[in-house]
Amino acid sequence: DQQVKQNSPSLSVQEGRISILNCDYTNSMFDYFLWYKKYPAEGPTFLISISSIKDKNEDGRFTVFLNKSAKHLSLHIVPSQPGDSAVYFCAASNSNSGYALNFGKGTSLLVTP
Amino acid sequence: KAGVTQTPRYLIKTRGQQVTLSCSPISGHRSVSWYQQTPGQGLQFLFEYFSETQRNKGNFPGRFSGRQFSNSRSEMNVSTLELGDSALYLCASSLTSGSRTDTQYFGPGTRLTVL
Repeated sequence: DQQVKQNSPSLSVQEGRISILNCDYTNSMFDYFLWYKKYPAEGPTFLISISSIKDKNEDGRFTVFLNKSAKHLSLHIVPSQPGDSAVYFCAASNSNSGYALNFGKGTSLLVTP
Repeated sequence: KAGVTQTPRYLIKTRGQQVTLSCSPISGHRSVSWYQQTPGQGLQFLFEYFSETQRNKGNFPGRFSGRQFSNSRSEMNVSTLELGDSALYLCASSLTSGSRTDTQYFGPGTRLTVL
């Protein structure tokens, strides 16, 4: 039962433009959300996180938005760079699960020059 | 500081065999979690260890087990391998356990192929 869903398997964006990656979740107990990115032959790398008490968190070119009522979060990358090309995973956790992260299946982002 | 290391990086086994994978966390990290990544199911949580104790377990059969040693290194074992166990097994370490906001740092994974 996939509790975290990333419905777009892939996304292609031109360099300099905004990339928007979306994620939906079904478990209302989730209260901490993260984005990881993964390059081939490497493990996922933490990118940015957001607690459910916030609706926005920004770190440089990366901003995560959380809409709790819609159970939806999104990652905005502005401006997109070719080095951002990777697979992006959305993940969520709740207080009962400790470090256990529930991951989406990922969105492959390609930033073209 | 060295990152999370996992050995071996690649492994080929046959059905019915057992396998042991190893994970060395970042120095000073005390929590180790294991995940299985497959094309169909994505990344799924297996278990988490802290101070040699399993604190949390995902929804996997008992054939999947793990342990953590006093130096925080961890191993996971899969017995009676099935074709469906073919996956990338990822290990992640965190500085402490108890704060979910501690960043989890992932290793490169062990690619297990079951024939």
